[in-house]
Amino acid sequence: SQQGEEDPQALSIQEGENATMNCSYKTSINNLQWYRQNSGRGLVHLILIRSNEREKHSGRLRVTLDTSKKSSSLLITASREADTASYFCATDDAPNAGGTSYGKLTFGQGTILTVHP
Amino acid sequence: DGGITQSPKYLFRKEGQNVTLSCEQNLNHDAMYWYRQDPGQGLRLIYYSQIVNDFQKGDIAEGYSVSREKKESFPLTVTSAQKNPTAFYLCASSIRSGTRYNSPLHFGNGTRLTVT
Repeated sequence: SQQGEEDPQALSIQEGENATMNCSYKTSINNLQWYRQNSGRGLVHLILIRSNEREKHSGRLRVTLDTSKKSSSLLITASREADTASYFCATDDAPNAGGTSYGKLTFGQGTILTVHP
Repeated sequence: DGGITQSPKYLFRKEGQNVTLSCEQNLNHDAMYWYRQDPGQGLRLIYYSQIVNDFQKGDIAEGYSVSREKKESFPLTVTSAQKNPTAFYLCASSIRSGTRYNSPLHFGNGTRLTVT
C-alpha cells in the first residue's frame, strides 16, 4: 500500500514564485526523503529529514516534518524554469519505535511541478 | 565519475520471452535496489540486496528474479510470468542499510521496457 501521498498532483507556477508540495504518510518513520525526477530520467536525492527533526534547509529548499500529523512539506523558493520536474517523497518506515531500517523506502505518487518562464 | 549505469536505455521484447536488465555501480555501495515505475505513479520496490549473495523480495517480486554475485552488479530478469512487464525500471544503490537510519538512494537513469 502507498505510504506517502502527495498533494497537489500537479502544480503550475510562474518563475520567481514559491512552490509548496505536501506529503502525508500513515505509519511511524525513521526519516523522510525528497527526490526530484526529470522526465525520462532517474531520481535525484534532494534532502533527508530525520524523525526527530522539524525543519531542514538546503539552498532554495526548505523541508518541514510534523510527526504528530504524519506530514511533510517541501518548499522551493524563487522557482526557476529548470525546477520543472516531478517531486517525490519517500518514507523510511520504522517497524517499531527505534526499529531498524531494512533498506526499503516507500515512495509517494509524486507532484508534477511546471515552472513557466 | 562514480555512479550507476543501467543498460540498455530502451528494450523491446516479445511476450513470453525472458529479458535481463543490467545495473552496475562503482560507488562501492553495499545495498542495491530495483524499482518499477508506471506512468503517473510512484516507485514500487521489486527486489533489494543489502550484501553480496543475499537479496530480499520487495512489494511486487512476482515474475521477477535477481542475483547479486558481485558487489557492483545487480541484474534483474523479467520473466514470462510477469503479467504486465511494460514499465520504466530503475536501479538504485545506497551506502548502507539495516541500520537505524537509511542513507539516501542513488539512482541510475532507468531502462524503459516495452513488451508486445
